[in-house]
Amino acid sequence: GQNIDQPTEMTATEGAIVQINCTYQTSGFNGLFWYQQHAGEAPTFLSYNVLDGLEEKGRFSSFLSRSKGYSYLLLKELQMKDSASYLCAPEDSNYQLIWGAGTKLIIKP
Amino acid sequence: IAGITQAPTSQILAAGRRMTLRCTQDMRHNAMYWYRQDLGLGLRLIHYSNTAGTTGKGEVPDGYSVSRANTDDFPLTLASAVPSQTSVYFCASSVGSYNEQFFGPGTRLTVL
Repeated sequence: GQNIDQPTEMTATEGAIVQINCTYQTSGFNGLFWYQQHAGEAPTFLSYNVLDGLEEKGRFSSFLSRSKGYSYLLLKELQMKDSASYLCAPEDSNYQLIWGAGTKLIIKP
Repeated sequence: IAGITQAPTSQILAAGRRMTLRCTQDMRHNAMYWYRQDLGLGLRLIHYSNTAGTTGKGEVPDGYSVSRANTDDFPLTLASAVPSQTSVYFCASSVGSYNEQFFGPGTRLTVL
């Protein structure tokens, strides 16, 4: 079966660093997306990893290990506006995205 | 319009009624998708279309139908709404089936 596992909720302090983990099992694998979703809004694209390793994009970085079925999203220099849910979505062999329930990130001053 | 739009923004519907949720994109994307999002669950794919004239079933297609007569529009129809279809519905599009998806603002549907 297909399964995505990520923490339900995390809390971090403004200015700090937080790592949101995601483990997955899918029918085939082509790549992995991370999306951000603010409460009451639509998801927006953050990153896409195909190869193993770290992809850095400003304050956000995403890591992938295909052999371990593992990814993480790293957020640096946290700002209050980073309070949102972060959705892990691996892409199966049919290019369908399998969505995790998301990690709600709460940023405290 | 710019991007992807959905209508209505929200709707309260009596059980048994027919309802069509509209989705329009102006990015000339080939692929379009309908998802539902329920509290505590990930986005679940209802139906998709890889290109105009073709559609496919996703994870939870029962009770829903779609059509893709042209590139821009991808309406979702509930033939006879039931309370379990109460959800937030998101339409999305992508250049191809392997590209990042752009989401519409969502339709909040309540079936009583």
